[in-house]
Amino acid sequence: GQNIDQPTEMTATEGAIVQINCTYQTSGFNGLFWYQQHAGEAPTFLSYNVLDGLEEKGRFSSFLSRSKGYSYLLLKELQMKDSASYLCAVMDSNYQLIWGAGTKLIIKP
Amino acid sequence: GAVVSQHPSWVICKSGTSVKIECRSLDFQATTMFWYRQFPKQSLMLMATSNEGSKATYEQGVEKDKFLINHASLTLSTLTVTSAHPEDSSFYICSASRMASGWGTDTQYFGPGTRLTVL
Repeated sequence: GQNIDQPTEMTATEGAIVQINCTYQTSGFNGLFWYQQHAGEAPTFLSYNVLDGLEEKGRFSSFLSRSKGYSYLLLKELQMKDSASYLCAVMDSNYQLIWGAGTKLIIKP
Repeated sequence: GAVVSQHPSWVICKSGTSVKIECRSLDFQATTMFWYRQFPKQSLMLMATSNEGSKATYEQGVEKDKFLINHASLTLSTLTVTSAHPEDSSFYICSASRMASGWGTDTQYFGPGTRLTVL
């Protein structure tokens, strides 16, 4: 079966750095997406990785290792507004998005 | 660019009535639109995928006669919840992508969601 694993919840301190991991087992791979979802709102797109390596976009970076079925989202200089759920999603060989359950990130002052 | 709107943002209806939710891509043509449902504290659940001009493809367990999807143009898709019941109360979110599924990957851009409450 297809499976996306990410931690249920993480806590970090304002101004610090946090890394949210995602491992996947899917039938085929056509890219991995990270989305941010604030409570009661729809997800917003953060990043897309299809090749191995690190993609940096401001305070957020996303890393992919296809051989390990592994990705992480790195958030630097954490701000209170970063408190949200972070969803990892993999596009499989049928171009279907397989969603992880999301990681709830709690930022403390 | 890549803005998706949904209307209404919230709706309360009586059991047995039908509710229509609109999803529009405002600044791009969306060949493919997706409808999701999300229950509190749970991840997104894909309900159906619709390509403009063709019938929607429903996920297993989703009743196509209850959740009617019409993708009449490249910028508009509608989801109609027919004969709604309290268990249909949920957060319904649409997303749109520029490219047809199977022609390559493209980012899905989400609408703001519609919160449906059935009394």
